[in-house]
Amino acid sequence: AAGVIQSPRHLIKEKRETATLKCYPIPRHDTVYWYQQGPGQDPQFLISFYEKMQSDKGSIPDRFSAQQFSDYHSELNMSSLELGDSALYFCASSPLGRPNEQYFGPGTRLTVT
Amino acid sequence: KQEVTQIPAALSVPEGENLVLNCSFTDSAIYNLQWFRQDPGKGLTSLLLIQSSQREQTSGRLNASLDKSSGRSTLYIAASQPGDSATYLCAAPSSNTGKLIFGQGTTLQVKP
Repeated sequence: AAGVIQSPRHLIKEKRETATLKCYPIPRHDTVYWYQQGPGQDPQFLISFYEKMQSDKGSIPDRFSAQQFSDYHSELNMSSLELGDSALYFCASSPLGRPNEQYFGPGTRLTVT
Repeated sequence: KQEVTQIPAALSVPEGENLVLNCSFTDSAIYNLQWFRQDPGKGLTSLLLIQSSQREQTSGRLNASLDKSSGRSTLYIAASQPGDSATYLCAAPSSNTGKLIFGQGTTLQVKP
């Protein structure tokens, strides 16, 4: 069965650089969620999109922006990177009409040096 | 506002023991509750999803229960094995938009 795809799986950036993380949801899933998991922390909700519109927003820094495209894939753009942005970033998708049923991707590990 | 708490934070047991991990949530109007497994530095593996209309779900040696009235869920692991060593997270949706609120996790070590 198809799963959520995230790319890249690993990313190393320097402070003040920009990073773009990509998420490809499971086919026929219309909702995408982004979560951030810092070292030793539980995952924290960042932002979600339903049918290409932002549906909910969590503790996402102003330096981050995200969008969902017409093919339902999503991108998380992170600018002016800080050391504290080093984390695992998960994307999850959910099927039409079942927003509470989320399927997680393998995550992107971002390291900021 | 949904808050999720897991007890204990860490647990060490000998191989073969049956064990229970606890999860509590503050907003009982949840659609479902999900249990995940996470190995160090790895992704989230969904173990069990319990719908609000269900009281429990089983998968192999795992059994998860849900009691909405008391705001509690438990994950029962039977005949634990060293390969079960990992962090177990429970998560409940916070709103009708579906965002998940995670507990802090229980880190399990099963000793041979």
